[in-house]
Amino acid sequence: KAGVTQTPRYLIKTRGQQVTLSCSPISGHRSVSWYQQTPGQGLQFLFEYFSETQRNKGNFPGRFSGRQFSNSRSEMNVSTLELGDSALYLCASSFDRAGIRETQYFGPGTRLLVL
Amino acid sequence: KNEVEQSPQNLTAQEGEFITINCSYSVGISALHWLQQHPGGGIVSLFMLSSGKKKHGRLIATINIQEKHSSLHITASHPRDSAVYICAVRTNYGGSQGNLIFGKGTKLSVKP
Repeated sequence: KAGVTQTPRYLIKTRGQQVTLSCSPISGHRSVSWYQQTPGQGLQFLFEYFSETQRNKGNFPGRFSGRQFSNSRSEMNVSTLELGDSALYLCASSFDRAGIRETQYFGPGTRLLVL
Repeated sequence: KNEVEQSPQNLTAQEGEFITINCSYSVGISALHWLQQHPGGGIVSLFMLSSGKKKHGRLIATINIQEKHSSLHITASHPRDSAVYICAVRTNYGGSQGNLIFGKGTKLSVKP
């Protein structure tokens, strides 16, 4: 089974631009979560989707948004980029059954640099 | 004070040593996760615990819900165990029910 894939792997943007990152979960997984990792703050939870619905949201400004499609693929968008948005963005998927959360499988991440 | 605290922050061990990494949390949780992150960024989920103890190969994870504390043990450590180990808790309260909160990680280096 293919693992979680994320595209692109690396991205350079300038302040004020917007960016869209993509995540394809493991086949059959319906839950997708997004995380931001920076040297200063470590790993932080962004949001979680299950069957196209946002199930949870972390403490990030409204510039950060996401969605999940019917095939469970997910995208996250960051508008009006700031220097502090430079980070590794990780996506993880899991096969959750009837509200029971299971082990998450992480993608390799997208490294975003904002200049 | 962080809601999830790990200790130590850094750990250097000789190959073969028994290693313990600790995680304490101050919030209500439904589960606790131990993650491993190798240089380059890839993260692997090692354990998901809500009670008791789990074992996988040379790795053992325990949790004490009453004391809000978990430990990750590595027996017969090996240089390939060198990585950052991250504790994360899934909350069970309020508007953020189900969110993951992460510790800062423990950087482990095992010398041959």
